[in-house]
Amino acid sequence: DAGITQSPRHKVTETGTPVTLRCHQTENHRYMYWYRQDPGHGLRLIHYSYGVKDTDKGEVSDGYSVSRSKTEDFLLTLESATSSQTSVYFCAISTGTGDFLSGANVLTFGAGSRLTVL
Amino acid sequence: QQQVKQSPQSLIVQKGGIPIINCAYENTAFDYFPWYQQFPGKGPALLIAIRPDVSEKKEGRFTISFNKSAKQFSLHIMDSQPGDSATYFCAASGRNNFNKFYFGSGTKLNVKP
Repeated sequence: DAGITQSPRHKVTETGTPVTLRCHQTENHRYMYWYRQDPGHGLRLIHYSYGVKDTDKGEVSDGYSVSRSKTEDFLLTLESATSSQTSVYFCAISTGTGDFLSGANVLTFGAGSRLTVL
Repeated sequence: QQQVKQSPQSLIVQKGGIPIINCAYENTAFDYFPWYQQFPGKGPALLIAIRPDVSEKKEGRFTISFNKSAKQFSLHIMDSQPGDSATYFCAASGRNNFNKFYFGSGTKLNVKP
């Protein structure tokens, strides 16, 4: 998937435990994203990053934190997992030119990480 | 509150039919509207995209129709095939932050042989 690796791909954990999902890219893109996918809600943006140490909140950021200490890695952390955070999590990178007029911004997604919180 | 509203939630058509998926938005700052296709167990992938300076864009059997005044856009799949069975998402991004994308809730399409 275009140089994006998510880990772990599957995880089962218990309520109250911390969880970290990792997204690694090999192509040095500036923008990275974390989405969650739930039936009936589609893809909802959790957090995104526009550079090392530069992050911003998305639509559903409560209960999640992110870090980006290197261009290639974007980490999503659930400090204390809850059952409502059971979901499939997708990392994405923006592989467009960044040119507003060209409309060439393309999100390329990883294969997803399925998280179950019991 | 969902920024992009998508319907229907699911759709079943016969092979050769023309499924239509509709999306609507309110934010007039949106000016880039991509569609993504997702097969089971995979991440979504860009299918086709449109900007509001045109009313229609066609790529192969996939067509986006865009109605700027109504703030609506739709995906049409001509001569649909069983291999088109997937979940389709519309999305939008805007002039004020063109790297921030908002997605619809998705439409699960089943094309029967």
